[in-house]
Amino acid sequence: DQQVKQNSPSLSVQEGRISILNCDYTNSMFDYFLWYKKYPAEGPTFLISISSIKDKNEDGRFTVFLNKSAKHLSLHIVPSQPGDSAVYFCAASAPWGQFYFGTGTSLTVIP
Amino acid sequence: GAGVSQTPSNKVTEKGKYVELRCDPISGHTALYWYRQSLGQGPEFLIYFQGTGAADDSGLPNDRFFAVRPEGSVSTLKIQRTERGDSAVYLCASSTATSGRGVPSTDTQYFGPGTRLTVL
Repeated sequence: DQQVKQNSPSLSVQEGRISILNCDYTNSMFDYFLWYKKYPAEGPTFLISISSIKDKNEDGRFTVFLNKSAKHLSLHIVPSQPGDSAVYFCAASAPWGQFYFGTGTSLTVIP
Repeated sequence: GAGVSQTPSNKVTEKGKYVELRCDPISGHTALYWYRQSLGQGPEFLIYFQGTGAADDSGLPNDRFFAVRPEGSVSTLKIQRTERGDSAVYLCASSTATSGRGVPSTDTQYFGPGTRLTVL
């Protein structure tokens, strides 16, 4: 039973344009959400997080949006750069609960 | 570097054998996590240590899986009687979280590169 879903396994974007990665969740108890980035043969690297008391968090080129009523979050990368090419995982957790990860979206930024 | 390290990077074993996977967390991190990532899936939580004790082992799939962290630093994930379905990348992560009950929800975990386990 997948509680966190990333329905797009892959995404290709032109360099300089916006990348939008989407994530849906089913558990209304989730109150903390994270995005991780993963390069081949490396472990996931923390990118950005958001608490359920917010609907937006921005860090440089990366912005995460949370829509609690739709149980949906998205990661915006603008402008996209070739070095952003990686697999992106979203993760969610309930208070004092384990983290649940999505299946990942492979982003390719085309120079 | 001062990141999380895992050894070996690759392990090939035969069905029915016993394997140990090692994780060296970031120095000073009290919290340590094990995850399993199967092909095409995201990391799946296995167990969380706070210091020497397993604070949450609800993700261990069955009693063939066991993990220890005897001195509150290095951890070993042990798999007995391996099965082909155990083939996956096993990821370790650590953090500065100090909570004792469950996985702190606002935790930032730092992952190691993983151990790729192949059971033939």
